[in-house]
Amino acid sequence: AQKITQTQPGMFVQEKEAVTLDCTYDTSDPSYGLFWYKQPSSGEMIFLIYQGSYDQQNATEGRYSLNFQKARKSANLVISASQLGDSAMYFCAMRELGSSASKIIFGSGTRLSIRP
Amino acid sequence: DTGVSQDPRHKITKRGQNVTFRCDPISEHNRLYWYRQTLGQGPEFLTYFQNEAQLEKSRLLSDRFSAERPKGSFSTLEIQRTEQGDSAMYLCASSLGGQATNEKLFFGSGTQLSVL
Repeated sequence: AQKITQTQPGMFVQEKEAVTLDCTYDTSDPSYGLFWYKQPSSGEMIFLIYQGSYDQQNATEGRYSLNFQKARKSANLVISASQLGDSAMYFCAMRELGSSASKIIFGSGTRLSIRP
Repeated sequence: DTGVSQDPRHKITKRGQNVTFRCDPISEHNRLYWYRQTLGQGPEFLTYFQNEAQLEKSRLLSDRFSAERPKGSFSTLEIQRTEQGDSAMYLCASSLGGQATNEKLFFGSGTQLSVL
């Protein structure tokens, strides 16, 4: 069964520093996709970045990059030059292609707080 | 704005009452998902539709829960005989569908249900 694990319930980071949010996953499907979503206090889930299991390079989107280590089944999110607006919940998520289900499953999240 | 919209934003009800939530997806999206999120947790998959067909239901979805998407456009989620354990944020998401792992979900702002 597919599973996402986020072991950091909360993190505090100084503004302008880089931060890494951890995510490990478990799947037996060779074809899968990994996602990171941000959920501010307003509640709406915002897509940040995607990594496919066959992608050769780590995904990047502006200040966000995904450190994909396939053999270790980890997909950590790196936020460079953190900003006060980055304070939010961050969720790692996964979709398998081979499963009959098309759903995305989510981890339990990490609450990131940026200190000025 | 043509994002995913959910109504109502907040619902307070007494235990034993029935409630219904509505979700309007992005117009060209053929897949629609319902998730439930409790405080401090990640979203849990409930069910999803491709057009008007309900293709998967989670075991979390008891007989008191029913979802419909009658014309493949908007969807409703009904909870009968509400219990205090039903208190949560109910999130709706939509996507274009397809067979790729990179299909990302676009979320609404959710309906916060409080059962007294």
